Amino acid sequence: AQTVTQSQPEMSVQEAETVTLSCTYDTSENNYYLFWYKQPPSRQMILVIRQEAYKQQNATENRFSVNFQKAAKSFSLKISDSQLGDTAMYFCASKMDSNYQLIWGAGTKLIIKP
Amino acid sequence: NAGVTQTPKFRILKIGQSMTLQCTQDMNHNYMYWYRQDPGMGLKLIYYSVGAGITDKGEVPNGYNVSRSTTEDFPLRLELAAPSQTSVYFCASSWGRGRGGTNYGYTFGSGTRLTVV
Repeated sequence: AQTVTQSQPEMSVQEAETVTLSCTYDTSENNYYLFWYKQPPSRQMILVIRQEAYKQQNATENRFSVNFQKAAKSFSLKISDSQLGDTAMYFCASKMDSNYQLIWGAGTKLIIKP
Repeated sequence: NAGVTQTPKFRILKIGQSMTLQCTQDMNHNYMYWYRQDPGMGLKLIYYSVGAGITDKGEVPNGYNVSRSTTEDFPLRLELAAPSQTSVYFCASSWGRGRGGTNYGYTFGSGTRLTVV
């Protein structure tokens, strides 16, 4: 069975600092996709970044980047120059290429302090 | 751009009542999904649809029903509401092909907070 584990229930950092959120997953397939979603207090789920497992290069979207370690089944999210608007729940999710379903972690609550 | 629109945003139901959560998307996406999010948990898939007239169960379908008569609409029906159905419900949509659906992430609605008392 696919699983996604986020081991940090809550984190807080000062504005402008860099923060890394952890995610590990388990899968038996070679072709899969990994996602980080942000859920601010407004409840809207927003796609932050996406990684294709067959690509060795780590995905980057502006201040957001991932550290994808395929052998270790690790997919951490790094937020650089954190901003107050980054305060949110962050969810890691995985999807097998052959299956419609997204598997979600339990989330990490990130608080950016002024 | 409206994206995925869910109504209502909040609702309180009494045990045994029924209601329909509405979901509409204007992106011509073929896949649509209903999730529930319990406190401190990730999302659990209730039902999904790969196109008009086609629906299938997800992980936690008991107590719910869906229909997909058009590409745009995917309502979720709760029959005989129970306290265990207290949750936040999200509708999502995506464009995809075949069994694998999309690999490009979903567009979510803003959610419905449902309380059953």
